[in-house]
Amino acid sequence: EPEVTQTPSHQVTQMGQEVILRCVPISNHLYFYWYRQILGQKVEFLVSFYNNEISEKSEIFDDQFSVERPDGSNFTLKIRSTKLEDSAMYFCASSETDHPRGYTFGSGTRLTVV
Amino acid sequence: AQKITQTQPGMFVQEKEAVTLDCTYDTSDPSYGLFWYKQPSSGEMIFLIYQGSYDQQNATEGRYSLNFQKARKSANLVISASQLGDSAMYFCAMSNSGGYQKVTFGTGTKLQVIP
Repeated sequence: EPEVTQTPSHQVTQMGQEVILRCVPISNHLYFYWYRQILGQKVEFLVSFYNNEISEKSEIFDDQFSVERPDGSNFTLKIRSTKLEDSAMYFCASSETDHPRGYTFGSGTRLTVV
Repeated sequence: AQKITQTQPGMFVQEKEAVTLDCTYDTSDPSYGLFWYKQPSSGEMIFLIYQGSYDQQNATEGRYSLNFQKARKSANLVISASQLGDSAMYFCAMSNSGGYQKVTFGTGTKLQVIP
């Protein structure tokens, strides 16, 4: 069963530091997404990415966030200057079509900002 | 704007019994999709079942069925013959027909299966 791989599984960073969360989507998928889940709260959409550009982003996805597909396999989320409130589980997802029925989620990266 | 409401923060069910997890939704889009995801303690999000707004029949996937009542805007998940491995957080979610199909999640229901 193909899967979406996220690394690292847990990252601790100091407030104000830059962090890059990495994802390897399923190889034939074309649509990529980042979601986050603050502990004990619901999962929230951050950004969708298709054809090497952002297709939609939420109000959470401000100038501190950026996404990139630097090569044919990785999809990254960068947070430029982390804040305490960025502590959350970050999920990457990919799909072959733009229908979310086809979403496959990764197992998440738990980001802790101290 | 879309909204998903899950009013049961926690539920208990006896092993081998059926359980219904409630979900209501609100949207102005005529075309939408409804989903249920399972999140075990390990954290990953596992897709369980999907219902399209124009689907005539309720979706079923093994022990999971989605009780879709469009007029009432509800999309309850029914798990039959509960197993200990069903203990997890369950999220109801929806997508709209436009854009690149982002998913809006509810707050979740924590299900615990009792032996």
